[in-house]
Amino acid sequence: DQQVKQNSPSLSVQEGRISILNCDYTNSMFDYFLWYKKYPAEGPTFLISISSIKDKNEDGRFTVFLNKSAKHLSLHIVPSQPGDSAVYFCAASPTPNTPLVFGKGTRLSVIA
Amino acid sequence: DTAVSQTPKYLVTQMGNDKSIKCEQNLGHDTMYWYKQDSKKFLKIMFSYNNKELIINETVPNRFSPKSPDKAHLNLHINSLELGDSAVYFCASSSGTRRYEQYFGPGTRLTVT
Repeated sequence: DQQVKQNSPSLSVQEGRISILNCDYTNSMFDYFLWYKKYPAEGPTFLISISSIKDKNEDGRFTVFLNKSAKHLSLHIVPSQPGDSAVYFCAASPTPNTPLVFGKGTRLSVIA
Repeated sequence: DTAVSQTPKYLVTQMGNDKSIKCEQNLGHDTMYWYKQDSKKFLKIMFSYNNKELIINETVPNRFSPKSPDKAHLNLHINSLELGDSAVYFCASSSGTRRYEQYFGPGTRLTVT
């Protein structure tokens, strides 16, 4: 039972354009949502987060949008750069002491 | 000065053997985790320790035993290895004030033959 779903296994975007990565969840108790980025042979790196009381959080080129009624969040990267090419994992949790539940990841390729 | 380090990076062993993976963090975090990334690429929590005490123990065979000698270390010992244990194991840590934001090690790729 996948509580966090990333339905696109891969995405290709041209350098300078917007990358939009999507994530859906089924557990309405999730209160905190995060995006992690992973390069090959490395561990995931925390990128950006959002709590359920907000619908948007921005950090430089990265913006996460949360639509609680649709149980959907998205990560926007503008402008996309070749160094953004990585696997992006969406994760969620209902409380700080509850394990993070991860999606399967979306591989982003930014083409120069 | 790696924040979260794991050893070994690769581990190839035969079924039935016992092996350990070590993890160390130098971030001063109070909580450490073990995750397993299986062939389907899902990252799943196995264990979590806070101040050397086990706080999360997901449905994991009891052949897996974590040990935390101090707050900076969390080791994973696996007995009687099985083919299905082949996966990448990630250690992570976080601080009590920002527990959601976990810092991961580079992973240990375990292959059981």
